[in-house]
Amino acid sequence: DQQVKQNSPSLSVQEGRISILNCDYTNSMFDYFLWYKKYPAEGPTFLISISSIKDKNEDGRFTVFLNKSAKHLSLHIVPSQPGDSAVYFCAAYNQGGKLIFGQGTELSVKP
Amino acid sequence: DAGVTQSPTHLIKTRGQHVTLRCSPISGHKSVSWYQQVLGQGPQFIFQYYEKEERGRGNFPDRFSARQFPNYSSELNVNALLLGDSALYLCASSPPGARDNEQFFGPGTRLTVL
Repeated sequence: DQQVKQNSPSLSVQEGRISILNCDYTNSMFDYFLWYKKYPAEGPTFLISISSIKDKNEDGRFTVFLNKSAKHLSLHIVPSQPGDSAVYFCAAYNQGGKLIFGQGTELSVKP
Repeated sequence: DAGVTQSPTHLIKTRGQHVTLRCSPISGHKSVSWYQQVLGQGPQFIFQYYEKEERGRGNFPDRFSARQFPNYSSELNVNALLLGDSALYLCASSPPGARDNEQFFGPGTRLTVL
């Protein structure tokens, strides 16, 4: 049972444009969401998070939006840079306080 | 400062064998978690240890076990390896009192079971 879903395995964007990565979840009890970024041969690194009491959190070029009624969150990267090319994972905390990850979306930013 | 380190980097085993993976957390971090990442999927939680005690366990068979040592390093053991155990095994550490958004991941150990 995939409680956190990233339905797009890959995304290709031109440098300077906006990248939008999407994530859906099924458990309405999730109260904290995170995005991780992973380069090949490295572990995931924390990027940005959002609490369920907010609908938006911004950090530089990265903004996460949360739509609780739709059980949907998205990560916006503006402007996209070639160095942003990586696999992005959406994750949420379950009731036991453990991280549940989505399948990941591979972002490719073309120069 | 050194990040989370894991050894070995790569490992090849055959079915039925046993494997031990090692993790050293960031200095000062007392919590260590283990994840399995199968190709094309996100990391799946296996275990969490804090102060040498198991604090959580994911949906993995008893062939998987772990422990944490007094210096907070950790080992993940997998017995009777199956082909499906082939994956990237990630270790993450977090500082005392932190929520898991402060987990710091190591580069992982790539296990191939033939």
